[in-house]
Amino acid sequence: QKEVEQDPGPLSVPEGAIVSLNCTYSNSAFQYFMWYRQYSRKGPELLMYTYSSGNKEDGRFTAQVDKSSKYISLFIRDSQPSDSATYLCAITSGGYNKLIFGAGTRLAVHP
Amino acid sequence: KAGVTQTPRYLIKTRGQQVTLSCSPISGHRSVSWYQQTPGQGLQFLFEYFSETQRNKGNFPGRFSGRQFSNSRSEMNVSTLELGDSALYLCASSHTGQGAQETQYFGPGTRLLVL
Repeated sequence: QKEVEQDPGPLSVPEGAIVSLNCTYSNSAFQYFMWYRQYSRKGPELLMYTYSSGNKEDGRFTAQVDKSSKYISLFIRDSQPSDSATYLCAITSGGYNKLIFGAGTRLAVHP
Repeated sequence: KAGVTQTPRYLIKTRGQQVTLSCSPISGHRSVSWYQQTPGQGLQFLFEYFSETQRNKGNFPGRFSGRQFSNSRSEMNVSTLELGDSALYLCASSHTGQGAQETQYFGPGTRLLVL
């Protein structure tokens, strides 16, 4: 069993839709949760970072963590064609940099 | 401020050869991490360097090695290349690498194709 599970999609939605992306993890020692966005032929860029259970909002993006269920989500409101990319969840137990990534979900937002 | 740069961007090698990839971190960043990205395995951590010392290592064979120079630039080397080493190799830098809340900035990657 992988430490982080993420449905690779692809996910195709119309412009303006609400997008829900999810990951599950197996190790309760994980404390820090991140979402990265990766455009084609580019490196990943950090979108959201959360530590505790609950919600964190940044513009159209909301990250949600449920530590009791070991479940993390990213919601994108009013999705735009420019949001078309691969979204990767990443988890770490803290300390030095060693991120464990999900497989990534490929999202396509069509006009 | 310039971002993380990686050279070369594309590389074609044959089985059995060795390859060296280079990464220049953001100015002032002292931690450099390397990741391998493949369609089958996704993004996997290779190793992390700080102040010229390897501080953390992923589950890769000894054919994968790296080093960091006094100016924080880093190189990774893969010896005796195998077809399965074909991947996008990503470098990420951060200030100190201590604490998960410290943002890692990724470079564009080096795409390696092994024939």
